[in-house]
Amino acid sequence: DAEITQSPRHKITETGRQVTLACHQTWNHNNMFWYRQDLGHGLRLIHYSYGVQDTNKGEVSDGYSVSRSNTEDLPLTLESAASSQTSVYFCASSWTGEETQYFGPGTRLLVL
Amino acid sequence: AQSVSQHNHHVILSEAASLELGCNYSYGGTVNLFWYVQYPGQHLQLLLKYFSGDPLVKGIKGFEAEFIKSKFSFNLRKPSVQWSDTAEYFCAVNKGYGGSQGNLIFGKGTKLSVKP
Repeated sequence: DAEITQSPRHKITETGRQVTLACHQTWNHNNMFWYRQDLGHGLRLIHYSYGVQDTNKGEVSDGYSVSRSNTEDLPLTLESAASSQTSVYFCASSWTGEETQYFGPGTRLLVL
Repeated sequence: AQSVSQHNHHVILSEAASLELGCNYSYGGTVNLFWYVQYPGQHLQLLLKYFSGDPLVKGIKGFEAEFIKSKFSFNLRKPSVQWSDTAEYFCAVNKGYGGSQGNLIFGKGTKLSVKP
């Protein structure tokens, strides 16, 4: 079955380190998204991509970057991790013309 | 800027009680509307969606929602909740471009706790 996976599921890192969270989908969806989920804020969009080589900033993009070299993957990089980036990160994907987004299982990140 | 408001942060109900969760959005144009559910420890799953047509939409597990354009609302309802409905519920909106992409704007979520 087609699916969307995220790795790692849990990560502990130190302030200042670079961290990359992986997102892989097998639906061949054009669109991919990264969100962070924090108590009291719901889900907020970090970055998104509408296709290979396309990336765009979302509402809370500072300190994060993405790259899209193929259809299946959209890795999220925290260039220099900060304690404020402790959160749960969700990746999602959707098909162009189909507005429903499908979510991955999430990555719980703790920055010490 | 678009925004989505969910009126209740935490709702506690007994089994068999009726549920209504409020959702209002701020965008004045054509919109697509969604309710997602997140069971404890799990990822978000689509509960139901509205793109056009009948404003009363039915989703999985007996949930339904009604789009009232004049009130900018998309409230979620279920006549009789079960303990297994304990979860967090998110309302989301994107601009309806008729088939093109649109970024989802989420509400802050409503946590539902159902007492057995």
